[in-house]
Amino acid sequence: SAVISQKPSRDICQRGTSLTIQCQVDSQVTMMFWYRQQPGQSLTLIATANQGSEATYESGFVIDKFPISRPNLTFSTLTVSNMSPEDSSIYLCSVARGGVDTQYFGPGTRLTVL
Amino acid sequence: AQSVTQLGSHVSVSEGALVLLRCNYSSSVPPYLFWYVQYPNQGLQLLLKYTSAATLVKGINGFEAEFKKSETSFHLTKPSAHMSDAAEYFCAVSGRGGSQGNLIFGKGTKLSVKP
Repeated sequence: SAVISQKPSRDICQRGTSLTIQCQVDSQVTMMFWYRQQPGQSLTLIATANQGSEATYESGFVIDKFPISRPNLTFSTLTVSNMSPEDSSIYLCSVARGGVDTQYFGPGTRLTVL
Repeated sequence: AQSVTQLGSHVSVSEGALVLLRCNYSSSVPPYLFWYVQYPNQGLQLLLKYTSAATLVKGINGFEAEFKKSETSFHLTKPSAHMSDAAEYFCAVSGRGGSQGNLIFGKGTKLSVKP
């Protein structure tokens, strides 16, 4: 498995501001993923983050809104920019480990935008 | 494209009763299938996974799931529910296969356990 931590665990932010979420893994991984879980909904993949290359975004998500950094093999950040109440969600990072798409998730960051 | 359908957004069972959570998938390639559990205010925890080995997969906390290709199903079961099983359960299929896949999640089933 993997030990994954996220910071902050929760935050309440004002409309128009930005929040950067950090994800730290206990050992090196090639691929990290960022998901969004809107209230009462399932998880949706935002982007895949590989170290040393640009993140790959899924349809409906753009880099200007959700810039991602991946400076090394154990760390990544996701920024939610110019926030609106519609961005209120749980944001989760995950890592692939086990060779067959098995993903392990962090505890999530619960974001509320007022 | 891959997809997952979970039948029943909410399932309620009595403590000690059988738990059955339904999941059907659609995949154009041999799928990898997963069940995750999410306890209130927590992240997702992997319960079990199917990766084309044995069709009956045993996971943590007494859960198991059976892969049935003919029915395109991967239902989750537990013989006897415990109060601590109350949580939301997500079925997922690997989106692209291999080590670069992403996960396609179902909408989730919230399990309630009555004393």
